Amino acid sequence: GAGVSQSPSNKVTEKGKDVELRCDPISGHTALYWYRQSLGQGLEFLIYFQGNSAPDKSGLPSDRFSAERTGGSVSTLTIQRTQQEDSAVYLCASSLNPPAAYEQYFGPGTRLTVT
Amino acid sequence: KQEVTQIPAALSVPEGENLVLNCSFTDSAIYNLQWFRQDPGKGLTSLLLIQSSQREQTSGRLNASLDKSSGRSTLYIAASQPGDSATYLCAVMTDKLIFGTGTRLQVFP
Repeated sequence: GAGVSQSPSNKVTEKGKDVELRCDPISGHTALYWYRQSLGQGLEFLIYFQGNSAPDKSGLPSDRFSAERTGGSVSTLTIQRTQQEDSAVYLCASSLNPPAAYEQYFGPGTRLTVT
Repeated sequence: KQEVTQIPAALSVPEGENLVLNCSFTDSAIYNLQWFRQDPGKGLTSLLLIQSSQREQTSGRLNASLDKSSGRSTLYIAASQPGDSATYLCAVMTDKLIFGTGTRLQVFP
């Protein structure tokens, strides 16, 4: 079956612009995660969704970052007023419930470059 | 605060060698541990998941062990091949995955 998909695969934007990144999880997966991988840094957690609600937003680096999930499926990560330090690969993952018991399957990522 | 460390950071070996990649974590209160592979410019591919109650998992030439009490996991790769070249990441699951910084592996012919 289809895996996790993300779009766009690459995004170049000017500093100060807003961007939206999209994630389509595996069908039937109720848990959805966003992570960020910056150059020279490891993978860091951003936000977790269980269904449409986000019980853990602790990884969002600033109030410029927000995310939503609709219909228990597609999720959108929005970065407002982008800064150069936002340049990174943004990865989305999904898993069955309860997420602690199951593997997380990752999408190919969106490479964001802020110029 | 949970911290995950991987040693070595990089490894270059001739094909055919058996390899051991190490992962250590500071807090044993985990649900599971997952090993991933990342190829350049690509996402993560899940290799093995070990539940906290398990000691090891095997898939083909890969074997992962978990010693939760000592905060360690090892990934054993048997008879390495050039196609195994990638970055290997371990991650522990608490309420989210916490990743190590990875081991960059190169297997040359």
